Amino acid sequence: DGGITQSPKYLFRKEGQNVTLSCEQNLNHDAMYWYRQDPGQGLRLIYYSQIVNDFQKGDIAEGYSVSREKKESFPLTVTSAQKNPTAFYLCASTERSPDTQYFGPGTRLTVL
Amino acid sequence: RKEVEQDPGPFNVPEGATVAFNCTYSNSASQSFFWYRQDCRKEPKLLMSVYSSGNEDGRFTAQLNRASQYISLLIRDSKLSDSATYLCVVNRGSARQLTFGSGTQLTVLP
Repeated sequence: DGGITQSPKYLFRKEGQNVTLSCEQNLNHDAMYWYRQDPGQGLRLIYYSQIVNDFQKGDIAEGYSVSREKKESFPLTVTSAQKNPTAFYLCASTERSPDTQYFGPGTRLTVL
Repeated sequence: RKEVEQDPGPFNVPEGATVAFNCTYSNSASQSFFWYRQDCRKEPKLLMSVYSSGNEDGRFTAQLNRASQYISLLIRDSKLSDSATYLCVVNRGSARQLTFGSGTQLTVLP
């Protein structure tokens, strides 16, 4: 089945540690996105990539990094510079047109 | 002003009721409009795209008013399974990016 997978579903880390969240898609979509969602709030864009080996900062990129070495994969690293990393992280992808985005099941990160 | 504004609710309605959600957006260059549904602690899922002429999918009707920069979603004959948060989503003009509203929470009561 085609879709987007994210792993792990739940992640616990100590303060000061970097952590990498996985996102893989087999939909052959060009563009991929990372969002974070905090309780009672909408999704906020962290980074996005429209093509392999290229990515742009979103609205809240500070403290995060990404790579796009393969079309299928767009991992997100939450670094120790991110002041408040505990959140629900969602990965999405989209075809060129229309720009409907499809989401993976998310990773819930808790920093202790 | 937020780019996409929604009434957060919660809306608590009995089964069978009709409920309407409204949303306003600030970017006049926006070209694509969507309603997504998000269940508790799950990912958002596309409910329907919204077209200028208005569109219907079963019990769900979406309307777009570009002049007023206003989007609506009407749910008829509410079911218990409609309980969720409904997100109004708008694209950012020519960029392939979406802006998400904070969502309107709906609870359908037996």
